[in-house]
Amino acid sequence: NAGVTQTPKFRVLKTGQSMTLLCAQDMNHEYMYWYRQDPGMGLRLIHYSVGEGTTAKGEVPDGYNVSRLKKQNFLLGLESAAPSQTSVYFCALRPRGRTEAFFGQGTRLTVV
Amino acid sequence: KNQVEQSPQSLIILEGKNCTLQCNYTVSPFSNLRWYKQDTGRGPVSLTIMTFSENTKSNGRYTATLDADTKQSSLHITASQLSDSASYICVVSASYGGSQGNLIFGKGTKLSVKP
Repeated sequence: NAGVTQTPKFRVLKTGQSMTLLCAQDMNHEYMYWYRQDPGMGLRLIHYSVGEGTTAKGEVPDGYNVSRLKKQNFLLGLESAAPSQTSVYFCALRPRGRTEAFFGQGTRLTVV
Repeated sequence: KNQVEQSPQSLIILEGKNCTLQCNYTVSPFSNLRWYKQDTGRGPVSLTIMTFSENTKSNGRYTATLDADTKQSSLHITASQLSDSASYICVVSASYGGSQGNLIFGKGTKLSVKP
């Protein structure tokens, strides 16, 4: 989806390293989400934001932190990466009052 | 507990054949149901939305059905093409509001169309 850009697309980390994933949007949507997708598990919500300056925990928030200082950007941080965080991470947007979610292309993260 | 179950987990069909994917949900109160298509290496993209009052909706070769009484939906693909190879995810929205808890995802069905 051209309106949602995730950076980087691929990354390999060593256990204990830190990194930040960036989700940038040009669709001016209020709600932003970070999901992880693992084989057989489907999409699971990590954290979400309902607007600039607000964040909240989802289903699997442990080991992650987020920030939304500007409406168009939603950052996902891993302070000390663990092999269990090897996954594909998706950012999604949703306009207020609607249920359609718009997804980025994903970030494939491997922690060794 | 709100849940969305999809079957089968995976499916292999020959090009040109039809197939049907199933979605059962226990989400209450129900708002709507969407089918997403996720190509390999890409994010999911919405195919169709079904609201409580709709029974059938078509989008090209894709036809979705909804039975709100039995809480079941299906996605029928007609005359499959190689480009239909993807994962299909059923997502149910609950109507109790809130920005986070009202999107419940199924685990998806992985469809492979072989020549």
